[in-house]
Parts: sequence; C-alpha cells; structure tokens
Amino acid sequence: EVQLLESGGGLVQPGGSLTLSCAASGLTFSSFAMSWARQAPGQGLEWVSTISSGGGNTYYADSVKGRFTISRDNSENTVYLQMNSLRAEDTAVYYCAKYTLSPSRYFDLWGRGTLVTVSS
Amino acid sequence: IQLTQSPSSLSASVGDRVTITCRASQGISSYLVWYQQKPGKAPKLLIYAASTLQSGVPSRFSGSGSGTDFTLTISSLQPEDFATYFCQQLNSYPLTFGGGTKVEIK
Repeated sequence: EVQLLESGGGLVQPGGSLTLSCAASGLTFSSFAMSWARQAPGQGLEWVSTISSGGGNTYYADSVKGRFTISRDNSENTVYLQMNSLRAEDTAVYYCAKYTLSPSRYFDLWGRGTLVTVSS
Repeated sequence: IQLTQSPSSLSASVGDRVTITCRASQGISSYLVWYQQKPGKAPKLLIYAASTLQSGVPSRFSGSGSGTDFTLTISSLQPEDFATYFCQQLNSYPLTFGGGTKVEIK
C-alpha cells in the first residue's frame, strides 16, 4: 500500500525544538520531491517547506525560514522537519506530502498528519 | 502569490450545482490544483493543472481557468461532497493555498 506516515509530534514549550519524521512506503521515494504543510486548529492550509528528490534543493515559507530545516534520507525512505525556536503560532497539524513535479505539479499523496502543540 | 477563494462558505442541497472560484494575485499559468478536506482528515487531490481530474475522482467535479481566474464546479452535489475545498498554486515559491470554502448542507 502506498502511504506516508508522520510521527514526532507532541507538546513543546515556546523556544523548544522538535523533529518530525515522515516514512514513505509503496513508492519509489527517491524519485519524488517531498513537502510539509500545516494546518492550525480550525484554520486553512499553509505550505511550510519542500525538498527536491535528491535533497539538494530546499524551499521554505517566510514564517519558518531560519527556524525549520527539511531533510531526507532516501535510504530510509524518510523526510524530516527539524523545528527550532518554536512559537505558539507554530501549533498545527503537520502533514507531509508527495510532490509530483512532472508532467504537472501537485501534492497527490498526503499523510494523516501529526499534531504539534507549542505551549507552556 | 495570494489566492482569494470565494465564497468562504456556502449552503447547498443535494443535487445542486456548486461553483467555487479562486483568484490569483498574479498569473500562475495552469499550476492550480483543488483539494477536498473532510474534518480530521488529510486533504485529497481532486483536480490538477486547473482542469485535469485526478484518477478515481467522480466526473461531477470539474475545473476550469488559467492565468489568474479559476473555478471548481460540482455539477450535482452528493452527500459525501460536504467538505472544505482548497485551491493551491504551484507556479512559484512560496507555494500558497486559498483560504478554503466550506460546503455545508442546506
């Protein structure tokens, strides 16, 4: 079965750090870019970050630039999101998504999400 | 690039034709997709390249537009279609989503 499974969410204090993982199965992981998106409680979707298939190119939303780092291990079929200097406004469900770039562009496979709560 | 979706919510009955619009603040070619999201679930891809139906998505869903103005249409609303719909542009970074349209039962 083709799926993405996020883990690593939880409660963290403001200023703290957390690393999310997203394990892929049933697909040729190293062939695809991967992205993270988030959704604050009761709110819309926000793109967070994207990493190219080989890991050489990364992109970030301005809201997380300098605080979050996306990386991947193609040998482990896993993408990571290292989150530092966390703020209350980072509280959200974080989704990883497979990003297809050709022949068109879209997020065609999403994980179930993992909840990150930033609170003292 | 900002995406403005309208309306933010609507009430409709089963069998109704529903239209949701998404306007981009600048041209995005056809790099516009639509997702459906139900409470507590991940988004599901419905349409990509503005008008191409994702495999397995019912044909009552359709998309149109290019440049800055896009439309998602549900030709005959079904009970399982009550959900929130989001557009997303993938023309350039930062990737952005519209604010969402919640489709509720009248």
